[in-house]
Amino acid sequence: GENVEQHPSTLSVQEGDSAVIKCTYSDSASNYFPWYKQELGKGPQLIIDIRSNVGEKKDQRIAVTLNKTAKHFSLHITETQPEDSAVYFCGGDSNYQLIWGAGTKLIIKP
Amino acid sequence: EADIYQTPRYLVIGTGKKITLECSQTMGHDKMYWYQQDPGMELHLIHYSYGVNSTEKGDLSSESTVSRIRTEHFPLTLESARPSHTSQYLCASSKTPGTGGSGYTFGSGTRLTVV
Repeated sequence: GENVEQHPSTLSVQEGDSAVIKCTYSDSASNYFPWYKQELGKGPQLIIDIRSNVGEKKDQRIAVTLNKTAKHFSLHITETQPEDSAVYFCGGDSNYQLIWGAGTKLIIKP
Repeated sequence: EADIYQTPRYLVIGTGKKITLECSQTMGHDKMYWYQQDPGMELHLIHYSYGVNSTEKGDLSSESTVSRIRTEHFPLTLESARPSHTSQYLCASSKTPGTGGSGYTFGSGTRLTVV
């Protein structure tokens, strides 16, 4: 079955700098990789996703890149702002279910 | 505007009580899931359903049970609450995609405290 590993567990960056969170997956049959943001006291919300037939996808300040050969994908946040502080989860699909990474706590320092 | 609703948002209950956490979605999604999560920590799948009258246990052993009598409703029941059940419970739903995977929509969660 699928196994998704996420790094780092905590990331602290200066406001305005970029943040990168990486995930690796094990199942070469996986072809859908979403990223979710969870703010304090709320459920996770989808912020961006990518399918295996695409190498990169951007939405304003966030982007996701996928390397199918190496089986890893990354979330990139540019020009970080205080409201980007949250826990971020990556996922990979397996048998129509999402397998989750362990989460990354992103801290934006003023 | 939320399309998946969880009630209650917060619950403090005594040991040994029976409780039911409610989850309803208005999107017509066939798949629904329950996760247990300590704040900011990993998501642990405890139950899932692929449709009416279908329920399965997840990866995390749980003393809870679920039912799926209607597409939109997926309640979770604890017959006898214990302090070890103190956690946040998240409900999610998704639709069966044509190909590949599909994103989940999460509710806001129920924060359960057993005293």
